[in-house]
Amino acid sequence: GENVEQHPSTLSVQEGDSAVIKCTYSDSASNYFPWYKQELGKRPQLIIDIRSNVGEKKDQRIAVTLNKTAKHFSLHITETQPEDSAVYFCAAHGSSNTGKLIFGQGTTLQVKP
Amino acid sequence: DTAVSQTPKYLVTQMGNDKSIKCEQNLGHDTMYWYKQDSKKFLKIMFSYNNKELIINETVPNRFSPKSPDKAHLNLHINSLELGDSAVYFCASSLGRTDTQYFGPGTRLTVL
Repeated sequence: GENVEQHPSTLSVQEGDSAVIKCTYSDSASNYFPWYKQELGKRPQLIIDIRSNVGEKKDQRIAVTLNKTAKHFSLHITETQPEDSAVYFCAAHGSSNTGKLIFGQGTTLQVKP
Repeated sequence: DTAVSQTPKYLVTQMGNDKSIKCEQNLGHDTMYWYKQDSKKFLKIMFSYNNKELIINETVPNRFSPKSPDKAHLNLHINSLELGDSAVYFCASSLGRTDTQYFGPGTRLTVL
């Protein structure tokens, strides 16, 4: 069935360091891969997304890379700040064109000042 | 200028009761969703409607019934609440089925 695996489950970095979160997906027809940030008690908010026709996308300190052959995609955060601390979720759209998003298990990122 | 809103924000109720959660979006989107986030933070799709038509109906107990009176509203009714229904329920919407999904603030349901 459709599945998205996300690693690591927790990540602790020093302020200013980089953070990388990795996801793999099972459905080779998946074509849309969003990343959401969820602060404690808040809603998931989209921070960046990528579609299968590109291999990399960058927005200031955040970048996402996609390897369709290997069926994995990664989130890169550079120059981390304490306000980057949150739970990050990757997701993949299924191939059924229903809009169904399969989410990874989440990564709790802690940025230490 | 709230985009996706839900009511109530918190819902505490006894086992066996029936309750409803309401969702509204003012983004002009065609597609709306219900997700459940359990205590381990796992987010799972439950239902989706596109232009008032049910298009995603995951393996969810039939005690859960979504209703979409119009494109801008999607409600979730839960019958005979059980302890295991305790979770945060998020509504979301997107312009089309394959577009970015925007989440509401969530409803924390606690069943005692």
